[in-house]
Amino acid sequence: EAGVAQSPRYKIIEKRQSVAFWCNPISGHATLYWYQQILGQGPKLLIQFQNNGVVDDSQLPKDRFSAERLKGVDSTLKIQPAKLEDSAVYLCASSLERGSQETQYFGPGTRLLVL
Amino acid sequence: AQSVTQPDIHITVSEGASLELRCNYSYGATPYLFWYVQSPGQGLQLLLKYFSGDTLVQGIKGFEAEFKRSQSSFNLRKPSVHWSDAAEYFCAVGAYNFNKFYFGSGTKLNVKP
Repeated sequence: EAGVAQSPRYKIIEKRQSVAFWCNPISGHATLYWYQQILGQGPKLLIQFQNNGVVDDSQLPKDRFSAERLKGVDSTLKIQPAKLEDSAVYLCASSLERGSQETQYFGPGTRLLVL
Repeated sequence: AQSVTQPDIHITVSEGASLELRCNYSYGATPYLFWYVQSPGQGLQLLLKYFSGDTLVQGIKGFEAEFKRSQSSFNLRKPSVHWSDAAEYFCAVGAYNFNKFYFGSGTKLNVKP
């Protein structure tokens, strides 16, 4: 079974530029999550999708961050414009269904450096 | 406010020695508790989880964790550490409906030969 795929693996941009990350979850997984992991910290949940609908985006900085999962499969997270403090690893995870009893499977992450 | 505290940033143990990683949580409702491991360049992997029932939970790779409600703790243990266990370990807490999910700041484990 293929795992969660993310691309690109690394990205370097200058502040005020835009960037987009892509995630393809495990086939059949209804729930998809995006996390931000700043160096030295644990992952912080940004947004959670159930199929193509947003379940929770309370910690997403909506003035600059957006995410979509239009067909309920793969997802894109965008930052526009980027700030220095957005430098982090962006992790995507998926689970079969929603709920804490479901195991989340994580992708390898996209490491973003904003200069 | 909900939070997870991992008081040890770095821990070094000798190969073959026992290990205990500490985790304390603050959560208003009945917590769902997790331990994840993150190896360099790898994604996060679930080691074990606790929802209810027996407070001693067995996980993969020989790890176990004990839930102590009175101490708001969920410490991770392993009787004999292997060099391949060197990684960063994260404790996490969530609600049943996963409305909120919080990770601790992690503990980096070094294993001496």
